[in-house]
Amino acid sequence: DTEVTQTPKHLVMGMTNKKSLKCEQHMGHRAMYWYKQKAKKPPELMFVYSYEKLSINESVPSRFSPECPNSSLLNLHLHALQPEDSALYLCASSHPGLARGSSYNEQFFGPGTRLTVL
Amino acid sequence: SQQGEEDPQALSIQEGENATMNCSYKTSINNLQWYRQNSGRGLVHLILIRSNEREKHSGRLRVTLDTSKKSSSLLITASRAADTASYFCATDAGTGGFKTIFGAGTRLFVKA
Repeated sequence: DTEVTQTPKHLVMGMTNKKSLKCEQHMGHRAMYWYKQKAKKPPELMFVYSYEKLSINESVPSRFSPECPNSSLLNLHLHALQPEDSALYLCASSHPGLARGSSYNEQFFGPGTRLTVL
Repeated sequence: SQQGEEDPQALSIQEGENATMNCSYKTSINNLQWYRQNSGRGLVHLILIRSNEREKHSGRLRVTLDTSKKSSSLLITASRAADTASYFCATDAGTGGFKTIFGAGTRLFVKA
């Protein structure tokens, strides 16, 4: 299974709602990523988990709360979002690798969740 | 922050022609990757080239890397309509870790 799945595909929420995005992979990857992508822009890294521990937080506002309950699952909890948070949210996974210069940075991406905040 | 700058921003060619996209970056790197993204979908990894490699091939793809100029190019030969997509370079910014920075991307349109 070489697939990263994301649910839901589309999400519309109000600014006072609480919702969660889910990501799952069964490739045995121990690094998982959240990216945010605005229209016609490149993906921007938000969070990275390595071996279920938060490794990178790119100064993301606290209204985004990541969670990695096990090695196959990655969640992104959303609360009190703003309309400017509307975007495509992409999940990715990769092997963490053993050494620099290894192939560990090859990432497998899910199809994304299209989020609209009203 | 954006590590890679790509040019052209957009490219329109006829089927059968070759397409060349360029990427420049600012810091030292351990590797550079190219990804493809069909409209509004997830990214697909195309090829990875390490900092000690100069050229790599995969099917109709050819990637070059010039670390002295901090630049890379992606050549797609004999393009097809199905190659229509956005293409991004991505680097690890020399951190040796998980941080991945994508370039602005080139939007390629291949006319049948």
